[in-house]
Amino acid sequence: DIQMTQSPSSLSASVGDRVTITCRASQSIIIYLNWYQQKPGKAPKLLIYAASSLQSGVPSRFSGSGSGTDFTLTISSLQPEDFATYYCQQSYSTSRSFGQGTQVDIK
Amino acid sequence: QITLKESGPTLVKPTQTLTLTCTFSGFSLSTNGVGVGWIRQPPGKAPEWLALIYWDDDKGFSPSLKSRLAITKDTSKNQVVLTMTNMDPVDTATYFCAHRFFSGNSDYFDYWGQGTLVTVSS
Repeated sequence: DIQMTQSPSSLSASVGDRVTITCRASQSIIIYLNWYQQKPGKAPKLLIYAASSLQSGVPSRFSGSGSGTDFTLTISSLQPEDFATYYCQQSYSTSRSFGQGTQVDIK
Repeated sequence: QITLKESGPTLVKPTQTLTLTCTFSGFSLSTNGVGVGWIRQPPGKAPEWLALIYWDDDKGFSPSLKSRLAITKDTSKNQVVLTMTNMDPVDTATYFCAHRFFSGNSDYFDYWGQGTLVTVSS
């Protein structure tokens, strides 16, 4: 199994802050890395696919980078609606796996 | 417009078998590259991928749960059924189904159902 490790597990930030979340895979997954946002009581929402491609309809303040084992999700200017939990997920192996999540809350 | 919706029991007893149905619209599960996956999420925890069925009837399962899972599709009814045997209280979770998109180096779940909470308790 490929293990996905996110850091930090949680962070507090203010509106307008730049936020960076990292995700590390236990082996190379090339760029088969997706990022999701989840709000309480809702299904995860796809933000970024193939490490750096922005899903249609997602604001451009979200961006992704990385390849191999190390990836980042950046929110350039945090907005009130961005307070949520973020998960990375690999689709390199037949057995898909998610990171443990990063909760972003209001400072 | 792609939509998916999960249905099934909200409460099952320990040792029973859980059967969940994902009914979808807006795509065909006979289209090359398409798949439907199941993901669960225990309360307050991260999502856990369970299984995936592909357009060509190939299937993938979580290694840790493989012995307990089965997945089938009915293309004519636009449904995917997941069964999980020998349910335990630790299997209490919200169960989601999701549409899998694939093209080149892009492989992701882009549409999700609303999820259904399944509680395992005697």
